[in-house]
Amino acid sequence: SYELTQPPSVSVSPGQTARITCSGDALPKQYAYWYQQKPGQAPVLVIYKDSERPSGIPERFSGSSSGTTVTLTISGVQAEDEADYYCQSADSSGTSAVFGGGTQLTVL
Amino acid sequence: QVQLQESGPGLVKPSETLSLTCAVSGYSISSGYYWGWIRQPPGKGLEWIGSIYHSGSTYYNPSLKSRVTISVDTSKNQFSLKLSSVTAADTAVYYCARCIVVVTAITYYFDYWGQGTLVTVSS
Repeated sequence: SYELTQPPSVSVSPGQTARITCSGDALPKQYAYWYQQKPGQAPVLVIYKDSERPSGIPERFSGSSSGTTVTLTISGVQAEDEADYYCQSADSSGTSAVFGGGTQLTVL
Repeated sequence: QVQLQESGPGLVKPSETLSLTCAVSGYSISSGYYWGWIRQPPGKGLEWIGSIYHSGSTYYNPSLKSRVTISVDTSKNQFSLKLSSVTAADTAVYYCARCIVVVTAITYYFDYWGQGTLVTVSS
């Protein structure tokens, strides 16, 4: 089955830039999406179609794509950004959604 | 504002069928979009279960397909999940969500989510 691979954890100091990667063979052919999940809460969409930001999401969140890897970048990280982040895409047929394993972002 | 609310038993016995319903408000299901179910075992990641269009067309996770049925009731503006032959491995928080699915435009994501409901499988 198709898989998306994320690092289990990323740590940054406040004000620095956090980069979370997600790798998958079908990513050159499918858009990627990113969700933020805080403890006890439902996931929230922060990036769609690789690099688009939904309304209400701070500008410090951005996304990019290069080949089989997509990256979520959080510039000027704030304490409130500490959360789990999940990438999501579709398989090559476009009919099955797939989530990455998640990355825990720690703000030191 | 689109809102989704899951409901159903919080405890299911092994080998029985898990049944959940997602009530949608602020948007008419019959107007379009896909609607889906995602689950998250305690302390683990997200897993897509399946999605349904208002017409009844479905997509299921291949790993769960043999046990999953998703249906839609446009008259009640809700959709439902049934997962049969459950085991302890099916213990999870179950979320319902609105899906943006356009296969020809390589688009498939979830923009509105319910708060989630914990279902425990135990005797």
